[in-house]
Amino acid sequence: KQEVTQIPAALSVPEGENLVLNCSFTDSAIYNLQWFRQDPGKGLTSLLLIQSSQREQTSGRLNASLDKSSGRSTLYIAASQPGDSATYLCAVGGGNKLVFGAGTILRVKS
Amino acid sequence: KAGVTQTPRYLIKTRGQQVTLSCSPISGHRSVSWYQQTPGQGLQFLFEYFSETQRNKGNFPGRFSGRQFSNSRSEMNVSTLELGDSALYLCASSLAPRQGGNEAFFGQGTRLTVV
Repeated sequence: KQEVTQIPAALSVPEGENLVLNCSFTDSAIYNLQWFRQDPGKGLTSLLLIQSSQREQTSGRLNASLDKSSGRSTLYIAASQPGDSATYLCAVGGGNKLVFGAGTILRVKS
Repeated sequence: KAGVTQTPRYLIKTRGQQVTLSCSPISGHRSVSWYQQTPGQGLQFLFEYFSETQRNKGNFPGRFSGRQFSNSRSEMNVSTLELGDSALYLCASSLAPRQGGNEAFFGQGTRLTVV
């Protein structure tokens, strides 16, 4: 049974800092890994999708890496802004469903 | 291009009642999945539909059911509501079943409160 863990559970940083969110999973037989952002009471916004054959993906200030063999992914956020404050969720895709981590609550202070 | 549309956005129901939630996927997307999000359990997979067929089901009781129509729109139904069914129900659409690693796009969710 796939289990996904995200560390840290919460993070508070001053504006402008670079930061790293971590995601680990127990079963390396995955199709892809997707990072989402969720604002309070809202749905999920897809940030980055990494296929199992890829090592990393970049979008603007975001960079996600995937090491399938070790069961790890990181989301790097450069030059953080208050608007980045949200919950960040990592989800592993295998078969017909996504398995989610519990998320990292990020607060960027101005 | 319109995103995933879920209706209604908010619902308040009484224990014992039943409820139907609706999801319209992104145009051209044929796979629809449903997830339940609660503070205690996080995001949990309910079921996935593709071509009007349920392909996979999560570990939820039979009170939770769903269906998909020929236009790919999907509904989920919860019968005999319990207080513990209070949650944010999220629908995700993708081009096809996830074997190809398709990206999932989520709607804004339906907030169900059972009183």
